[in-house]
Amino acid sequence: EPEVTQTPSHQVTQMGQEVILRCVPISNHLYFYWYRQILGQKVEFLVSFYNNEISEKSEIFDDQFSVERPDGSNFTLKIRSTKLEDSAMYFCASREARSSYNEQFFGPGTRLTVL
Amino acid sequence: GNSVTQMEGPVTLSEEAFLTINCTYTATGYPSLFWYVQYPGEGLQLLLKATKADDKGSNKGFEATYRKETTSFHLEKGSVQVSDSAVYFCALTTPGDYKLSFGAGTTVTVRA
Repeated sequence: EPEVTQTPSHQVTQMGQEVILRCVPISNHLYFYWYRQILGQKVEFLVSFYNNEISEKSEIFDDQFSVERPDGSNFTLKIRSTKLEDSAMYFCASREARSSYNEQFFGPGTRLTVL
Repeated sequence: GNSVTQMEGPVTLSEEAFLTINCTYTATGYPSLFWYVQYPGEGLQLLLKATKADDKGSNKGFEATYRKETTSFHLEKGSVQVSDSAVYFCALTTPGDYKLSFGAGTTVTVRA
């Protein structure tokens, strides 16, 4: 069964460093998402991406964040200068364009720890 | 905007007990409703879904009925197993706004 994959599973970085989180969505899906979950809190939407551009972003997704689909298979989230409060689990998700149930398929997540 | 409210956990049950997790929502537009489950150390998996009023979603013995009059989508299972220990998230999307809005999650622990 096709699945969304994410790498790395755990990333530890120093405050102020850049990180890139990588995702490979399901191959025939056209809508892509990033969510995050700070420990003990709810899952929050960050950004959605369709047709090579951002279709929606939340207030969390400020100028420090960017997304890219560099090669038609990978979907990346970059944080330019990490802060302590960026420590969270980051989930990638994808959705088939014509899904009548708007079902999103999630990857296993990347745990980001900022020291 | 859209929001989801779930009963707070943690919930601890014995095997074969009945489980209910309450979920209510507010939405602009006609929402589709979902329950996602997160097993320890894993990502989010869709458990069940319902897209219109009075629909019942079901999977792995879990059920939830879309109640428009009470804006609710409560999750139930008649006889839980240790393997049902997980965090359960209620979520919704609305037409034209395909991002998911999640509840806070309910941690369920089932003891043998």
